[in-house]
Amino acid sequence: AQTVTQSQPEMSVQEAETVTLSCTYDTSESDYYLFWYKQPPSRQMILVIRQEAYKQQNATENRFSVNFQKAAKSFSLKISDSQLGDAAMYFCAYRGDNDMRFGAGTRLTVKP
Amino acid sequence: GAGVSQSPSNKVTEKGKDVELRCDPISGHTALYWYRQSLGQGLEFLIYFQGNSAPDKSGLPSDRFSAERTGGSVSTLTIQRTQQEDSAVYLCASSLAGGRGQETQYFGPGTRLLVL
Repeated sequence: AQTVTQSQPEMSVQEAETVTLSCTYDTSESDYYLFWYKQPPSRQMILVIRQEAYKQQNATENRFSVNFQKAAKSFSLKISDSQLGDAAMYFCAYRGDNDMRFGAGTRLTVKP
Repeated sequence: GAGVSQSPSNKVTEKGKDVELRCDPISGHTALYWYRQSLGQGLEFLIYFQGNSAPDKSGLPSDRFSAERTGGSVSTLTIQRTQQEDSAVYLCASSLAGGRGQETQYFGPGTRLLVL
């Protein structure tokens, strides 16, 4: 089974600054999808951004962007101009041919 | 339109009792997933329904867990003879189709289950 690793259990960022959350994964597949989900205290999982493995261009959604390194199997999330509302658990997820796996999550704190 | 809904939002039960958790997916979504999230942990895949195909039950932790999806829409996750280790948040998600090209999953708010 594919594994997804988030090596940072907790991260902190100052409001308006930039923070990068790390994610690595293990797979033998060449075609797959990667996701970042946000889970605020309300526990509603919200899709932040997704990346298709066959696309070399990094996905971007407003203040959120990814650094997708396929050869290194790395998929980090960059949050620019951090806002208080960005505080949440962030989960990296992998969708392959047969399964979907989530990382253990990174808790992001935003300091005013 | 309405998102994924789940009920109840919270459930407290006694060890040994059976519980049923309900999920209403987004209308038109053919794929439905159940996950379990223990306190402070990531998501553990439980079961996946895609259209009328046989469900992928590979994530169910024991035979006390079962799920069904009636009419390709509403799904019920049943836990029989609950144990304290079943305490967790159970999340349901749906997506437009099961193929990887449509794999953005939309999640419900979850059901928090506490087994005393």
